[in-house]
Amino acid sequence: AQKITQTQPGMFVQEKEAVTLDCTYDTSDQSYGLFWYKQPSSGEMIFLIYQGSYDEQNATEGRYSLNFQKARKSANLVISASQLGDSAMYFCAMLGSNYKLTFGKGTLLTVNP
Amino acid sequence: DVKVTQSSRYLVKRTGEKVFLECVQDMDHENMFWYRQDPGLGLRLIYFSYDVKMKEKGDIPEGYSVSREKKERFSLILESASTNQTSMYLCASSIPDRNTEAFFGQGTRLTVV
Repeated sequence: AQKITQTQPGMFVQEKEAVTLDCTYDTSDQSYGLFWYKQPSSGEMIFLIYQGSYDEQNATEGRYSLNFQKARKSANLVISASQLGDSAMYFCAMLGSNYKLTFGKGTLLTVNP
Repeated sequence: DVKVTQSSRYLVKRTGEKVFLECVQDMDHENMFWYRQDPGLGLRLIYFSYDVKMKEKGDIPEGYSVSREKKERFSLILESASTNQTSMYLCASSIPDRNTEAFFGQGTRLTVV
């Protein structure tokens, strides 16, 4: 079975500070992909960053980085220098070998000025 | 520009009605997905399809069926709508490559009364 766990229903961060959103996963697949999406209050789903299970280096995209620890089955999202526009729901997701794309319950991030 | 289009933004149906939610993508993607999103529960996978006429059950298929007669169209069917199927429904599509993100439609807010 394939499962994504996000244990933080809500997080608060001060503007310009860094924040880490947790994600752990469970799978028996050897090859899989891990994704983070952002969903602002408008409802659209915005792709942020991807990490492959065989990638040795952690993925980075601008202010977003993915802290991938394969042995611990974790794929935490780090947002550096938070901005007010980062306030949104964040979802961790996994694509398994059978093309099943599974999401976690999400973390609501609030950036305070 | 890539596009996933869901036929309705808002829909109100009566209990017991047969409901069709349509999703069309113009990117020639093989994979298509249907999710429902509820507060506190994240995105839960209902069904997905990796090819025309192929379908796989997701995590919560009960009360739903799907149809994929053409590559670009993936329909979600509520055989007999019930009030507990009131939710936001999201469609997504992707290529069969674990390196590539899924693209989402704008969502359909379904209310069953």
